[in-house]
Amino acid sequence: AQKITQTQPGMFVQEKEAVTLDCTYDTSDPSYGLFWYKQPSSGEMIFLIYQGSYDQQNATEGRYSLNFQKARKSANLVISASQLGDSAMYFCAMREDTGTASKLTFGTGTRLQVTL
Amino acid sequence: DAMVIQNPRYQVTQFGKPVTLSCSQTLNHNVMYWYQQKSSQAPKLLFHYYDKDFNNEADTPDNFQSRRPNTSFCFLDIRSPGLGDAAMYLCATSRARINEMMFFGSGTQLSVL
Repeated sequence: AQKITQTQPGMFVQEKEAVTLDCTYDTSDPSYGLFWYKQPSSGEMIFLIYQGSYDQQNATEGRYSLNFQKARKSANLVISASQLGDSAMYFCAMREDTGTASKLTFGTGTRLQVTL
Repeated sequence: DAMVIQNPRYQVTQFGKPVTLSCSQTLNHNVMYWYQQKSSQAPKLLFHYYDKDFNNEADTPDNFQSRRPNTSFCFLDIRSPGLGDAAMYLCATSRARINEMMFFGSGTQLSVL
């Protein structure tokens, strides 16, 4: 069974600074995908960034980058130049491919608070 | 434009009174999912449909049922809601079985009185 671990229940970062949110995973599948989602207080899940297990380069999307270290089974999210609007819950998730469909397993999340 | 639409945004029901949550999609995706997210917890998959094929997670209570009358719509039925069923319910879709991203709706926040 797959497992996603986020060890930081909460994080604080000052506006304009960079922050790293940790995520480790465990799987025996050679093919997998890792996602980061942002969930503001409104509740919707907003897709941020995706990393495939065979991707050679770390994924980047604007201010978001994923520090993928396959041997260590970690997929940390780096947010550069934090903004007040980045304050939200952040979930790391792993895609599991079953016989019928892909499923996402989520970590417990990290609540990020951006301060002035 | 919203691609995965959940209605209503907030739903209040009484203990034991059946309730239905709805989800529609404009993406023509094969797969639709229902997740339950309790306060300050990770979303938990309840079940999913691949086209008309229903797939229940092993630990999903019998109290939860689902219907998918066509590609665009999927419903979550809670037959006898208990206080412990109060949660955010998230609908998601994806196009195919593997290597596909999931798209989420805005969720329905269910309260049970």
